Amino acid sequence: DAKTTQPNSMESNEEEPVHLPCNHSTISGTDYIHWYRQLPSQGPEYVIHGLTSNVNNRMASLAIAEDRKSSTLILHRATLRDAAVYYCILRDNNFNKFYFGSGTKLNVKP
Amino acid sequence: KAGVTQTPRYLIKTRGQQVTLSCSPISGHRSVSWYQQTPGQGLQFLFEYFSETQRNKGNFPGRFSGRQFSNSRSEMNVSTLELGDSALYLCASSSTGGGSPLHFGNGTRLTVT
Repeated sequence: DAKTTQPNSMESNEEEPVHLPCNHSTISGTDYIHWYRQLPSQGPEYVIHGLTSNVNNRMASLAIAEDRKSSTLILHRATLRDAAVYYCILRDNNFNKFYFGSGTKLNVKP
Repeated sequence: KAGVTQTPRYLIKTRGQQVTLSCSPISGHRSVSWYQQTPGQGLQFLFEYFSETQRNKGNFPGRFSGRQFSNSRSEMNVSTLELGDSALYLCASSSTGGGSPLHFGNGTRLTVT
C-alpha cells in the first residue's frame, strides 16, 4: 500500500500562512494526492487534490514536488476554523484502498 | 445535492451481539468505502464496494462484512462484537477514478459494553 508520512502536530498564528508537509516516497505514476481535514465529531472533509501540477481552490493550495515524493498543503491565511486534523492520502485509478495515516493536528492560535 | 448519510449516529451494544450500520451515498456515486476510527489506530480502511461488488478489503477479521445494494446504498455488519470494536465508523462515497474526492458522512459512534 502506498503510504504517507506527516508530522503529528503543527501550530500557527491566526491570519498567517500555514504549510503542512506530506512525504509519499512510494508514490506511483497513477496516484493522485488528496488532502482531507477532520473537525471534532465530524467526518473528514475534502480539501484539495492533484496529480502532478500545483493546484489552487477556494480553500487551499497544493504544491507538489517535481519528483512527486512530497507535497505541501498551503493555507494562505489560517483562521481559528482551520484548526483540525489534516490527512494526506494517495488514491489511484485502479486500487481504491486508502491509507490515511495519523494526520497532522493543526492548532491555530488567536 | 444531499450529502452522505449514515444511520444511526450513535449505538450502544453489548459484547457478543451483532450490529448493522447503514450508509446512503451521494446520488450518482457508485463507490462506497468504510473506515474505522479509534484514538489509538486512527482512520483504518475496512472495505470498498462498487456496483454491488467488494473491490478492496482492509486488514480486519471476517466478523466485519458489508454489502452494497443496487441503489448504491451500503451496509456494514459486525458480528460477535468485542470491546475493541468501539469506534467511530465512517463511510465515504465517490465517483470512480483517482481524481474523484471522497465525500464522508459524519459517522456512527458505536460503543460496545
